[in-house]
Amino acid sequence: GQQVMQIPQYQHVQEGEDFTTYCNSSTTLSNIQWYKQRPGGHPVFLIQLVKSGEVKKQKRLTFQFGEAKKNSSLHITATQTTDVGTYFCANSGYALNFGKGTSLLVTP
Amino acid sequence: NAGVMQNPRHLVRRRGQEARLRCSPMKGHSHVYWYRQLPEEGLKFMVYLQKENIIDESGMPKERFSAEFPKEGPSILRIQQVVRGDSAAYFCASSPPSPSEQYFGPGTRLTVT
Repeated sequence: GQQVMQIPQYQHVQEGEDFTTYCNSSTTLSNIQWYKQRPGGHPVFLIQLVKSGEVKKQKRLTFQFGEAKKNSSLHITATQTTDVGTYFCANSGYALNFGKGTSLLVTP
Repeated sequence: NAGVMQNPRHLVRRRGQEARLRCSPMKGHSHVYWYRQLPEEGLKFMVYLQKENIIDESGMPKERFSAEFPKEGPSILRIQQVVRGDSAAYFCASSPPSPSEQYFGPGTRLTVT
């Protein structure tokens, strides 16, 4: 599958600060999916982006798919302690090809 | 509608024993995927199955690992003669006939002692 790279690997923020994680590929992606995994938990689907330049919002979360469909980002506005976990991007054919994830720690 | 079910949730095996991991997909889902997650790592695709068919097993180690999804019953991931390096979380996911997002089970944490 196509390789997707995520940065940063870790991010530690104070509650209320913003957070962004980036997902990059050297090749054009057909789509990108984002998942969240809480510590000790399992991945939970957040969103799928398909179109070039697509932007989708879910409350405090904003997802973008680059114009060239080679990168994507997830931005969280005003983080809360409930946002703690690892955020993965994944390129999907039928099987998901996951990035290594960005682990977010939020301190109150 | 029950989610994806996996059992056991935790499994401890001694080196050389066999491990059997079970996965029941969500109702109406005919596609099953197995992933392995090593500590502090992302998830790695292992195998994709439909009922009675292995569609893609390119992520499966060539030896000791096998998977099936019979006509009746859960999907099984079988690891023979386990070694310490097999210790990991194994997640099963399912999707409907038109694959889009995948729904993950709670995982089986395998520890090999």
